[in-house]
Amino acid sequence: KAGVTQTPRYLIKTRGQQVTLSCSPISGHRSVSWYQQTPGQGLQFLFEYFSETQRNKGNFPGRFSGRQFSNSRSEMNVSTLELGDSALYLCASSLSTSGEGEQYFGPGTRLTVT
Amino acid sequence: GNSVTQMEGPVTLSEEAFLTINCTYTATGYPSLFWYVQYPGEGLQLLLKATKADDKGSNKGFEATYRKETTSFHLEKGSVQVSDSAVYFCALSGRYGGSQGNLIFGKGTKLSVKP
Repeated sequence: KAGVTQTPRYLIKTRGQQVTLSCSPISGHRSVSWYQQTPGQGLQFLFEYFSETQRNKGNFPGRFSGRQFSNSRSEMNVSTLELGDSALYLCASSLSTSGEGEQYFGPGTRLTVT
Repeated sequence: GNSVTQMEGPVTLSEEAFLTINCTYTATGYPSLFWYVQYPGEGLQLLLKATKADDKGSNKGFEATYRKETTSFHLEKGSVQVSDSAVYFCALSGRYGGSQGNLIFGKGTKLSVKP
């Protein structure tokens, strides 16, 4: 079974631009979560989607948004990019419907904001 | 709120040495506990998990036991290999409203194993 895939793998943007990242979960997984990983803050939860609904959201500004499609694929968008948004963005999918089960991660998208 | 604390790294060991990475947690209720591993340039891989008190998770020679009385989930391996060099993350998953789909991670412990 194919793992979680994320596109693109690398991205360079300039301040003020917006960016959209894509995630395809493992087949059959309906829960998709997004995390931001930085050297200073570590791994921080952004949001989680289940059956096209945002079920949980972390403590990030409104510039960070996401959505999930009927095939469970998910996208996240960051508008008005700031230098501090440079990070590895990880997507994870889960088979659990309760949201407490193990999550399987993709390779991440490395975003650099200049 | 829920949180995870794990020992600061980096940890440097010789091949075949014994490994312990400490992890303690603070949580409401009874979370599931996980260890994830991240190799350079890659995403996180699930290493092992435990879902209730006294459960022992194990995989690839690594073990961790869910200790509710000490709120701990220490990672151990009897004999490390060079290929175990990576960053290890302890994490918990909430079970109650508002915590779904949200893994809370420790800061990570970088392990380097020398031949």
